[in-house]
Amino acid sequence: DTGVSQNPRHKITKRGQNVTFRCDPISEHNRLYWYRQTLGQGPEFLTYFQNEAQLEKSRLLSDRFSAERPKGSFSTLEIQRTEQGDSAMYLCASSLGWRGLINEQFFGPGTRLTVL
Amino acid sequence: GNSVTQMEGPVTLSEEAFLTINCTYTATGYPSLFWYVQYPGEGLQLLLKATKADDKGSNKGFEATYRKETTSFHLEKGSVQVSDSAVYFCAYTGTASKLTFGTGTRLQVTL
Repeated sequence: DTGVSQNPRHKITKRGQNVTFRCDPISEHNRLYWYRQTLGQGPEFLTYFQNEAQLEKSRLLSDRFSAERPKGSFSTLEIQRTEQGDSAMYLCASSLGWRGLINEQFFGPGTRLTVL
Repeated sequence: GNSVTQMEGPVTLSEEAFLTINCTYTATGYPSLFWYVQYPGEGLQLLLKATKADDKGSNKGFEATYRKETTSFHLEKGSVQVSDSAVYFCAYTGTASKLTFGTGTRLQVTL
């Protein structure tokens, strides 16, 4: 399967713990995005990378959140000191994009986080 | 601010009925517009897109026309099937690369 993959698919943690999610994009895609989706809502943008550079971060991304894409391939999203309000589906997407060119974003299946 | 507004669901239709899901957007410039679909237990998939005014996107019998004058991108299908039951999201992207989504509309098609 050459689609976007995310691990783990489900994560249950206790409040205050740290969690890390991984996203593997489609191999030739240079852009990678993170979104968060809560129940009954559409996905909300968190951040995106072009190659290894993090080009934009939403104000939703508090200082407890950090994302990396060290070699321009896979990415990790870490949440420190989790809170119950962090419970959501975390979606990763990738695209082949260049400045001024809008290309389709392909989404992974998501990681569902539950903070107890 | 920039946003997408789509009709609230759930929308319940009988098979072979006509479908319209309304979507309007507020954005500066000339955004590209999308409809994404999320089938039960699956990830988001692009259904169709339009990148400039008056463009019509189409796929799997679904259509949507980019209407700049009314800032709308309504989704239509002439005859729905049970297999079309899913959540449909309207979205746009502008000069930044991020997608801005609506809240989604759940469609339930019954026999």
